[in-house]
Amino acid sequence: DGGITQSPKYLFRKEGQNVTLSCEQNLNHDAMYWYRQDPGQGLRLIYYSQIVNDFQKGDIAEGYSVSREKKESFPLTVTSAQKNPTAFYLCASSNRGRGQPQHFGDGTRLSIL
Amino acid sequence: GENVEQHPSTLSVQEGDSAVIKCTYSDSASNYFPWYKQELGKGPQLIIDIRSNVGEKKDQRIAVTLNKTAKHFSLHITETQPEDSAVYFCAASKENSSASKIIFGSGTRLSIRP
Repeated sequence: DGGITQSPKYLFRKEGQNVTLSCEQNLNHDAMYWYRQDPGQGLRLIYYSQIVNDFQKGDIAEGYSVSREKKESFPLTVTSAQKNPTAFYLCASSNRGRGQPQHFGDGTRLSIL
Repeated sequence: GENVEQHPSTLSVQEGDSAVIKCTYSDSASNYFPWYKQELGKGPQLIIDIRSNVGEKKDQRIAVTLNKTAKHFSLHITETQPEDSAVYFCAASKENSSASKIIFGSGTRLSIRP
């Protein structure tokens, strides 16, 4: 079955550590996205990528970094510069072009020890 | 920038009754409006979407209406069932030649009472 796989489902980080969240898709989508979800709030865009080796900052990119070396993969690194990293992180992908729906993975919940 | 407001934040309805969730958007250039359903511990799933050249769209028990003049759009769920309990998000997108960026509302937690 085609879909988006995020791993791990739960992740714990110590203060001052960087941590990388995995996102893999086998939908052959060109565009991929990372969102952050906090309780009682909507999804906020962190980074997005339209094509391999290209990505743009979203609305809350500070303290995060990404890479897009392969079409299928779009890992997100939460750096120590992110002061409030505890959240639910969602990865999505879509075809390029007008009105393309985004398909989401089941998320990674990151907590600070 | 674009802003999407969603109401109510929580909604409880009797099983079999209808549920309505309303959203407004700020950017009149927005032209694509998806709705997502998120169950506990899962990612959002697209349930229906509408484009600005259409005023209403139905898919079985769910329907979405769009009023471009007022910049309002709504989700209607009829004959609600227990499995409809979830958080629902509206969203708006202004399509252009770059990525299809979506702005989400803050979500509505729908509970269906047996």
